[in-house]
Amino acid sequence: DTGVSQDPRHKITKRGQNVTFRCDPISEHNRLYWYRQTLGQGPEFLTYFQNEAQLEKSRLLSDRFSAERPKGSFSTLEIQRTEQGDSAMYLCASSSRDREIYEQYFGPGTRLTVT
Amino acid sequence: QKEVEQNSGPLSVPEGAIASLNCTYSDRGSQSFFWYRQYSGKSPELIMFIYSNGDKEDGRFTAQLNKASQYVSLLIRDSQPSDSATYLCAAEMNRDDKIIFGKGTRLHILP
Repeated sequence: DTGVSQDPRHKITKRGQNVTFRCDPISEHNRLYWYRQTLGQGPEFLTYFQNEAQLEKSRLLSDRFSAERPKGSFSTLEIQRTEQGDSAMYLCASSSRDREIYEQYFGPGTRLTVT
Repeated sequence: QKEVEQNSGPLSVPEGAIASLNCTYSDRGSQSFFWYRQYSGKSPELIMFIYSNGDKEDGRFTAQLNKASQYVSLLIRDSQPSDSATYLCAAEMNRDDKIIFGKGTRLHILP
């Protein structure tokens, strides 16, 4: 399967702990995006990369959140000192410009529960 | 604040009928538009994209774009129970930029 993969699929952690999620994009895709989704809401943009460069980071993303894509392939999203409000589905997507636009394809997501 | 607006629903449509899902966007500079389907507990799945005014058809799905009215729609013909899901509309705010999602419309196809 050459789709977007994410690991882990589920994470339960206690408040105050650090967590790290990994995303492996579709191999030929140069763009990688992170989103957060809570129940009843659409995906909320967090940050995105073109190759290894982080192009934009949402103002909603506190300094407890950091993302990297060191070699322009997989990416990690770290949340430090987790809070209960961080409980959500964290989605990764990748894209590559085809014709006129970027089409984003999503991974299965990582569901985070902070207790 | 650049926004994409959708009616949250639920929208109930009899099996075999046409389901019509609508979306408006605030940024007149938006270039490209996407429709995603999301089943409960799953990640969004791309159905269609459109970037030119008019209609774009793919099987039972037709996307419609009216840039003057800042309006995007998705029609699903011959609706099936398997079409029951949340449909997310998304807009690319500027060329080469990120996309912004609406909150989604829940569609329920009645057998």
